[in-house]
Amino acid sequence: DSGVTQTPKHLITATGQRVTLRCSPRSGDLSVYWYQQSLDQGLQFLIQYYNGEERAKGNILERFSAQQFPDLHSELNLSSLELGDSALYFCASSAEGGLSYNEQFFGPGTRLTVL
Amino acid sequence: DQQVKQNSPSLSVQEGRISILNCDYTNSMFDYFLWYKKYPAEGPTFLISISSIKDKNEDGRFTVFLNKSAKHLSLHIVPSQPGDSAVYFCAAWKGKLIFGQGTTLQVKP
Repeated sequence: DSGVTQTPKHLITATGQRVTLRCSPRSGDLSVYWYQQSLDQGLQFLIQYYNGEERAKGNILERFSAQQFPDLHSELNLSSLELGDSALYFCASSAEGGLSYNEQFFGPGTRLTVL
Repeated sequence: DQQVKQNSPSLSVQEGRISILNCDYTNSMFDYFLWYKKYPAEGPTFLISISSIKDKNEDGRFTVFLNKSAKHLSLHIVPSQPGDSAVYFCAAWKGKLIFGQGTTLQVKP
């Protein structure tokens, strides 16, 4: 158990809909990262928040957005969903969030299926 | 543009033998290289890392080798055990983690 929790475990929805994925980091960790793993793909970095502020951005679509709240939990919002958005979405957390590598601890993921 | 590549989708070895997983990268500016292990229905877990200024790092049965001139990284597992069966991702760090596509390792008893 990494100490990172993600809800829900599974989500099935229809094209055009909007969903919210939730992540609670390990106790004391200030950084939260979101990753997408599509079929046959490695994990793609989407976005990082550090202590409530956006720190780094990766291959995140404009239809996706995220935020980190004062209690440090984070939410990833996916809107106007398309079939290709079906994937595993992982959240990770680390103690710090600077340019030096900090070990990232991953949650169990949320499996999103768009029908 | 795939900066980190794992060209072998799968690898099968016999218990007790060596497993060698390979990874190539294109960006010589990466600071750190890491290997993660992933079991089904779980998130990736950190296995071992190596700084770009080193060429070898060892932790028990796991050794990572870095060949900067070839832009190549490898993970050696000796001896391999059935519990090592998992998907292994290599990753590189330069302000963010860039992952390879993963290699599924099967260790047969």
